[in-house]
Amino acid sequence: NAGVMQNPRHLVRRRGQEARLRCSPMKGHSHVYWYRQLPEEGLKFMVYLQKENIIDESGMPKERFSAEFPKEGPSILRIQQVVRGDSAAYFCASSRNYGYTFGSGTRLTVV
Amino acid sequence: SQQGEEDPQALSIQEGENATMNCSYKTSINNLQWYRQNSGRGLVHLILIRSNEREKHSGRLRVTLDTSKKSSSLLITASRAADTASYFCATANPFFGFQGAQKLVFGQGTRLTINP
Repeated sequence: NAGVMQNPRHLVRRRGQEARLRCSPMKGHSHVYWYRQLPEEGLKFMVYLQKENIIDESGMPKERFSAEFPKEGPSILRIQQVVRGDSAAYFCASSRNYGYTFGSGTRLTVV
Repeated sequence: SQQGEEDPQALSIQEGENATMNCSYKTSINNLQWYRQNSGRGLVHLILIRSNEREKHSGRLRVTLDTSKKSSSLLITASRAADTASYFCATANPFFGFQGAQKLVFGQGTRLTINP
């Protein structure tokens, strides 16, 4: 069991570009979550997805951010037209029976 | 507003001493969890305590929960240099209607430094 796999580990984007972050949940886990961690802060909930459905996106910024978890393939967190303030660590987690497993995160740097 | 808030924000102790970190929260919870994060790394789940439990042990870790005061504490006994990390509490509540899914709300964390 490889755990929650996130890629890339590090991503550098120029302002205005798009960032795509990928997350493959643990085998058998149907719940996927994305969290964002700004420097020196705790994680903030962004979105909860199941296959082909967004269940709760109350933590997602209203513009430029979107998430999906297609029937086949990994979950994708997409950030359009990135700005410096999007620089952060983005963590994906999956769960089955309430127990969370976090991935190692993608560290996005916007230059 | 932040649900879990850790205290202290930073703690520095000598190896072998005990480290105590506290967490306060505002709303009712299903369970409370503690995580460790080494610098620049992901989160490692340490322990989960349910709202109907008062104390839980795991190795050198002891967690207490006082739901009347909406607070929890994490005690690490006989600290080691490898315990140096940030520690986060997270309150958890389920997404109703979605069996097995829950939302975590994290505090700002306590940065623990163990001096050899």
